[in-house]
Amino acid sequence: AQTVTQSQPEMSVQEAETVTLSCTYDTSENNYYLFWYKQPPSRQMILVIRQEAYKQQNATENRFSVNFQKAAKSFSLKISDSQLGDTAMYFCAFARNDMRFGAGTRLTVKP
Amino acid sequence: GAVVSQHPSRVICKSGTSVKIECRSLDFQATTMFWYRQFPKKSLMLMATSNEGSKATYEQGVEKDKFLINHASLTLSTLTVTSAHPEDSSFYICSAIVGTVSEKLFFGSGTQLSVL
Repeated sequence: AQTVTQSQPEMSVQEAETVTLSCTYDTSENNYYLFWYKQPPSRQMILVIRQEAYKQQNATENRFSVNFQKAAKSFSLKISDSQLGDTAMYFCAFARNDMRFGAGTRLTVKP
Repeated sequence: GAVVSQHPSRVICKSGTSVKIECRSLDFQATTMFWYRQFPKKSLMLMATSNEGSKATYEQGVEKDKFLINHASLTLSTLTVTSAHPEDSSFYICSAIVGTVSEKLFFGSGTQLSVL
């Protein structure tokens, strides 16, 4: 079974700075998809970014980008120019036939 | 974008009663729906996968007789917590997809269940 590991339970960053959230996963599959989701206090799950495993190019969405290292099974999220509204729980997720989540990282952006 | 409506958003019930949670895809037909459970400050744990017209597939450790899932149409899946007990108190989230999970999941807004 696939497992997703987020080793940083909590992180903080100053507003306008850059922060990187770590994620590793374990799978024997070659084709799969990886996601980062944001969960604010409302608890609504919000898609941040998505990566297809067969693509070598790292996905980018505005201030959010990933560093996808397939051989190392690593999928980190970089948030540039952090904003107060980025404060939330961030979940890394692995998807193939279903979607499974890591334990999450609580990110606090400080003014 | 696609909308998944989940109701109720919050429910309080007495121990021993059953509670039904509905998950509807409002503007698309969901071939597959997933049900997750989330404890406070914890991750989303997959409980079961339901495909329209067939029996749900439960994850190991999830009691299928306790958590009844019905996916009778392409727009509606229900989770019934039978004979609820305080340990069933949790945040339950549904999600839906069209086709494969390779695109993305559309999430409901969740249901906070509190069993007294």
